[in-house]
Amino acid sequence: KAGVTQTPRYLIKTRGQQVTLSCSPISGHRSVSWYQQTPGQGLQFLFEYFSETQRNKGNFPGRFSGRQFSNSRSEMNVSTLELGDSALYLCASSWSATKGETQYFGPGTRLLVL
Amino acid sequence: DQQVKQNSPSLSVQEGRISILNCDYTNSMFDYFLWYKKYPAEGPTFLISISSIKDKNEDGRFTVFLNKSAKHLSLHIVPSQPGDSAVYFCAASEGTYKYIFGTGTRLKVLA
Repeated sequence: KAGVTQTPRYLIKTRGQQVTLSCSPISGHRSVSWYQQTPGQGLQFLFEYFSETQRNKGNFPGRFSGRQFSNSRSEMNVSTLELGDSALYLCASSWSATKGETQYFGPGTRLLVL
Repeated sequence: DQQVKQNSPSLSVQEGRISILNCDYTNSMFDYFLWYKKYPAEGPTFLISISSIKDKNEDGRFTVFLNKSAKHLSLHIVPSQPGDSAVYFCAASEGTYKYIFGTGTRLKVLA
């Protein structure tokens, strides 16, 4: 069974631009969560989607947004990029993200903002 | 406010010895805890979990201990192997479709 895939794997943008990252979950998984990983901050929760609905979100500014499509694929968008947005963005999928359920992570998209 | 803390950024252990990775949390509502392992250029992979109704869970060489009164959990790896060298994250959940991760501990197992 194919794992979680993320595209693109690497991205370089300049300040003020916007970026869209894509995540395809494991087949059958309906929950997709997004995390930002930066040195010294660990993985910080961005938001979680289930059946096209955002169920929870972390403490990030409104420049960070996401959506989920009917096939469970998800995208996240960051508008007006700042230098501090440089990070590894990870998505994780699971059947329903209930307590005790394992999340499976993709390899991440490394974003560099210049 | 970091609700899940891993105060040791790195740890080195000799092959065959025990590795102990620690994690502290502040939110008493957390009731489920997980450990993930991450190799460079890969996403984190699930290692082991524990519910707050237990104080210990074992899976092969990996054991997680939970001390609710101290709001502390630890991961023991026995015996440690060079392939265990990775960054380890602990994570906690209060069942709201959201996991809070620590900052990670880089484990290096020396051959």
